[in-house]
Amino acid sequence: GAGVSQSPSNKVTEKGKDVELRCDPISGHTALYWYRQSLGQGLEFLIYFQGNSAPDKSGLPSDRFSAERTGGSVSTLTIQRTQQEDSAVYLCASRGARAPSDTQYFGPGTRLTVL
Amino acid sequence: GESVGLHLPTLSVQEGDNSIINCAYSNSASDYFIWYKQESGKGPQFIIDIRSNMDKRQGQRVTVLLNKTVKHLSLQIAATQPGDSAVYFCAEPPRAGGYNKLIFGAGTRLAVHP
Repeated sequence: GAGVSQSPSNKVTEKGKDVELRCDPISGHTALYWYRQSLGQGLEFLIYFQGNSAPDKSGLPSDRFSAERTGGSVSTLTIQRTQQEDSAVYLCASRGARAPSDTQYFGPGTRLTVL
Repeated sequence: GESVGLHLPTLSVQEGDNSIINCAYSNSASDYFIWYKQESGKGPQFIIDIRSNMDKRQGQRVTVLLNKTVKHLSLQIAATQPGDSAVYFCAEPPRAGGYNKLIFGAGTRLAVHP
């Protein structure tokens, strides 16, 4: 079946511009995550959506970052007034509802470069 | 604080040898641990997980060992192949029953040489 998809695969923008990154989770998965991965680094949690519950935004680095999940499916991560330090690969993952160790399935990521 | 880290940032092995990738964790209340493989330009891919009530779990050519006494996790890859070359991450939930996010280690790069 189809996995998690993300678009665009690459995004180059100028400092100060806004960007939107899209994630299409696996159909039927109720949980959706955004992570950030800087070059040669591990994954940094950004935000988590679970069904209709309020999202866990504890990982967002600043108020320039926001995310939405419409209709419990597609999610958009928005970065306003991008800075060079925002350059990274942004990864989306989704998870089903089976407990207790249902794994997260990752998309290929969007590589963001801020010039 | 909660953290998951790795002992070896880079591991080089010969094709056909066995590989062992190590990981230390700090949250003794974690219910489970997961190993992910990330190939260049791709997102992390689930390899295997292990519940905290287990010491060992085997998959296809991979074995994960959990030593709760010393909070140590390892991933063993048998007969390592060039296709195993990737960065390997261990991950755990931040607290017992906390499925809202995973804490990832920094990763170990596995390089397989012919």
